[in-house]
This record gives sequence, C-alpha cells and structure tokens, in this order.
Amino acid sequence: SQTIHQWPATLVQPVGSPLSLECTVEGTSNPNLYWYRQAAGRGLQLLFYSVGIGQISSEVPQNLSASRPQDRQFILSSKKLLLSDSGFYLCAWSVGGALNTEAFFGQGTRLTVV
Amino acid sequence: KQEVTQIPAALSVPEGENLVLNCSFTDSAIYNLQWFRQDPGKGLTSLLLIQSSQREQTSGRLNASLDKSSGRSTLYIAASQPGDSATYLCAVSKNNNDMRFGAGTRLTVKP
Repeated sequence: SQTIHQWPATLVQPVGSPLSLECTVEGTSNPNLYWYRQAAGRGLQLLFYSVGIGQISSEVPQNLSASRPQDRQFILSSKKLLLSDSGFYLCAWSVGGALNTEAFFGQGTRLTVV
Repeated sequence: KQEVTQIPAALSVPEGENLVLNCSFTDSAIYNLQWFRQDPGKGLTSLLLIQSSQREQTSGRLNASLDKSSGRSTLYIAASQPGDSATYLCAVSKNNNDMRFGAGTRLTVKP
C-alpha cells in the first residue's frame, strides 16, 4: 500500500532563517506531488506541483521554492523566512499520468515564524 | 477562476442526527469532486471521490452526491457520532494539477 510521510510535524523558526520541509511517498512510482498551505479558517492553497523529477510548477509567486530530487521525494524550501510564511503545510500525492484519481495527504507541518 | 464555497462554516448537532454538508462550485467543467475529513492539527483523509460522470458515491454512513450542471455537491452523514467531529473539506479538480478547495465545514457532534 502507498504511504506518504511528511516531517517535521511542527517547526518554530525565526524570521530570516532558512526552511526545509520534506515529503516522501512509498509504494508507488512517478506520482504527482503537491505542496499546499492552509491558513487558519481558510481553504488550502496550492503552492507547487510536480509531475516528475526536476519538474516543478508554481501556482503563486512567493518566498518559497520546491524541488524534486528523486521520484518520490518533494522538498519545500526558503532561503529567508517571513512572518507571513507561518501556516500549516501539507504534502499530497496522486497517481501520475492519470486523470480522475484521488489525492492523498500527509499529516502536515505546522510552521510558526517568530 | 474556480471558486468553491462550503455552507455552513460550522455545524453542531446532537449524536444520532442525520446531517447534510453543502459544497458549491462556480465552474461546472470539473473532472471530479473529492470530500476530505481533517482532524485538528492533522492532514486530510480522503472520504469519497466522485467522478464527473457519477451522481453519487457511498461509503458506510457517508453518501456524497454531485450535480455538476448546477455546481453542487452534498455530503450526507447518517446517524452521526461524536467521532465524526472534524472539519470536512470538498475539492474539485479540472485535472490533477488544479484541485481547488473550499474553506470547510467544522462539524461538532455532541454526545
């Protein structure tokens, strides 16, 4: 069966510090991978998605970047965090190369920038 | 641009009651609609996926319907239990790269 791992679960970082959140998927090959951010009381906002190694698409301009160094690894990064980067970050995957498939989410990372 | 709205934003019911959560979307050209459950501070758990060609899906006490032409979906929960307390999110997709979420309905089922 497929599983998705996301870490860390919580993170407190000072303004201006770097960020690296990691997400890995097991039990599948060539998945579509996604990073979402969820602000309090609001819906999820798609930040990045990837359909393959090294292929990253960004939905919104921002202080963050994403990379996919391996087929089942997706990393969210920042060189210098802003207060506005605080939020709940969720990684997700779906079957690659197929439409109408379910999306599955990790347990999320609560990021607080202080 | 696809807009997804969920009503009500919060709902509190006594245990055992049947309830309906609503989701509406502005662009009816979707591939599928997915309902998720989110517990506080946790990730999303997929509940039901309805393809655009389907009208409903059922899983246990949950039944989700889809009226694509009117841009509406409902999630029906039968015989609610305290363990059903969570935030319920709906999301619509035009393709796998374009899943748009509502803000969710926060459900509380009181014992």
